[in-house]
Amino acid sequence: NAGVIQTPRHKVTGKGQEATLWCEPISGHSAVFWYRQTIVQGLEFLTYFRNQAPIDDSGMPKERFSAQMPNQSHSTLKIQSTQPQDSAVYLCASSHSGTNTEVFFGKGTRLTVV
Amino acid sequence: GDSVTQTEGQVTVSESKSLIINCTYSATSIGYPNLFWYVRYPGEGLQLLLKVITAGQKGSSRGFEATYNKEATSFHLQKASVQESDSAVYYCALSANSGTYQRFGTGTKLQVVP
Repeated sequence: NAGVIQTPRHKVTGKGQEATLWCEPISGHSAVFWYRQTIVQGLEFLTYFRNQAPIDDSGMPKERFSAQMPNQSHSTLKIQSTQPQDSAVYLCASSHSGTNTEVFFGKGTRLTVV
Repeated sequence: GDSVTQTEGQVTVSESKSLIINCTYSATSIGYPNLFWYVRYPGEGLQLLLKVITAGQKGSSRGFEATYNKEATSFHLQKASVQESDSAVYYCALSANSGTYQRFGTGTKLQVVP
């Protein structure tokens, strides 16, 4: 079990460029979550899927951010027209049956917008 | 909405001394949320330390303990004698039984010094 795999581990983009972050959840897990980690805000929830269906995206900035889960083995978080304030560590996590059980996190993608 | 508040910033403790990291919660969507402590060791991903899903119960792991106190809406993390290997960032989290995502506090960095 390789755990939750996130790629790339580090990404540097220029202001205005697009960034796509990838996540491979643990096989068999039905729930996939995206969080953003900053020093000021801590761990902010962005969105989550259950059985590939979007369940709650209340934490997603309404513009420029989108997430998809085209199949059970991967999810993507896309940020269009990146801004310096998007710089953060983006964490993907998965769990077996929703959110009342242990959530397993990937090591994150550190996004730096210059 | 539901939220978690924990000791902010960094806590420095001398080796073999006791530790307490405060965590209080607000759960407006449900009276008895599930409560968690997660830990991120240097260079590693966020991982579950302990969880308690029943009010009044205590969870323990790796010498750490936390008691679910519904009267005080608290879930403080304690350890009687810390070691340098406990140096990490600790996050308190909650989830509602309605199947929503886990909400995290801002994290507390523990530094244990000789």
